[in-house]
Amino acid sequence: HLQLQESGPGLVKPSETLSLTCTVSGDSFRRSDFSWGWFRQPPGKGLEWIGNIFHSGFTYYNVSLSARVTISGDPSRTQLSLELRSVSAADTAVYYCASLDYSETTGLPLDWGQGTLVTVSS
Amino acid sequence: DIQMTQSPSSLSASVGDRVTITCRASQDIRNDLGWYQQKPGKAPRRLIHAASSLQSGVPSRFSGSYSGTEFTLTISSLQPEDFATYYCLQHSDYPPTFGQGTKVEIK
Repeated sequence: HLQLQESGPGLVKPSETLSLTCTVSGDSFRRSDFSWGWFRQPPGKGLEWIGNIFHSGFTYYNVSLSARVTISGDPSRTQLSLELRSVSAADTAVYYCASLDYSETTGLPLDWGQGTLVTVSS
Repeated sequence: DIQMTQSPSSLSASVGDRVTITCRASQDIRNDLGWYQQKPGKAPRRLIHAASSLQSGVPSRFSGSYSGTEFTLTISSLQPEDFATYYCLQHSDYPPTFGQGTKVEIK
């Protein structure tokens, strides 16, 4: 199993930018058969896909968030990053990063980070 | 978007019971579906991939099947550690979409 660890501020003010990092263990970040994704889960609710980044660097985003989100990868640091701009209370959620296999499709999450709660509040 | 309609939203069952959870896709997704278990405060855990393939390390009491656009997760004999919320996820087309979840509670 891969080890993934999210990190970043737990509190963000409305209209500001949420920035999270996911550190991936070992050399797995460079594997071409994996892609990487971000998901979120508002308190007491279901799971939502935010976006993916493929080994090529190509990204796909949820249309509902695409105007505000950027996902990037830093292979030298084996890190995945999420930036969500202009946040509101509706963006309060536990944010997860995940490794994805089945990269010939949209990808299916295999290993997940433990999640990090981000609260949007002034 | 492909809609995944999951049922029931919750169920009460006893240890040893056979439990079945269903997801219906709004269009053909082949077998591009996974099942996940999530316990409170924890990340999801993949149980099934390719609709019917058991994830390595997952107990054999879990199984997945499908027919057309209807997908089923079965727990053959519910154990105390299986009380959790279960989600399906289709990864056939963008955006990947989850079912609404099924909370399995102790009767």
